[in-house]
Amino acid sequence: AQKITQTQPGMFVQEKEAVTLDCTYDTSDQSYGLFWYKQPSSGEMIFLIYQGSYDEQNATEGRYSLNFQKARKSANLVISASQLGDSAMYFCAMREGAGNTGKLIFGQGTTLQVKP
Amino acid sequence: EAGVTQSPTHLIKTRGQQVTLRCSPISGHTSVYWYQQALGLGLQFLLWYDEGEERNRGNFPPRFSGRQFPNYSSELNVNALELEDSALYLCASSWYGVPTEAFFGQGTRLTVV
Repeated sequence: AQKITQTQPGMFVQEKEAVTLDCTYDTSDQSYGLFWYKQPSSGEMIFLIYQGSYDEQNATEGRYSLNFQKARKSANLVISASQLGDSAMYFCAMREGAGNTGKLIFGQGTTLQVKP
Repeated sequence: EAGVTQSPTHLIKTRGQQVTLRCSPISGHTSVYWYQQALGLGLQFLLWYDEGEERNRGNFPPRFSGRQFPNYSSELNVNALELEDSALYLCASSWYGVPTEAFFGQGTRLTVV
């Protein structure tokens, strides 16, 4: 069964520094997709970045980049130049299977706090 | 352009009651997804609706149900509420079955007492 593991319940980072949030996944599918979402205290889930299993290059979106290591089944999120507004809960998620199930599997999340 | 809107934002219900949560997708999106986020836990997939049909269902009991209307808005109904149903219920929408580009609403926080 597909599974997402985020081993860091909480992380601290100094403003303007970079931070890496860990995510490992387990799947037997060859085709899958990996996502990162940000959830501020307001509750809304904000899409940050997507990586397909066949994408050869790591995905980047502005200050966000995804360090995709397929052999190690890891998809870590790197946030460069942290800002106070980055303080939030971050979730790693996976699209289940190659077919169209409409379902995303989420990890337990990592709380990031950016210090001024 | 309006995002995904959910109502109500907060709700308090008594154990055994029934509740209906509502979701309006982004204009043009035909798929609506419902997730449950219990306190301190990740999101659990509940339901996926597209074009008025239930396309997939998560591992939840039948007292969790819903529907999608012709305008693609959706309702989530929970019958016989239990204390453990207390959670943030998030709705997301996307083009047909493409959760890669799903946009979420701010959720409805349900408290069962």
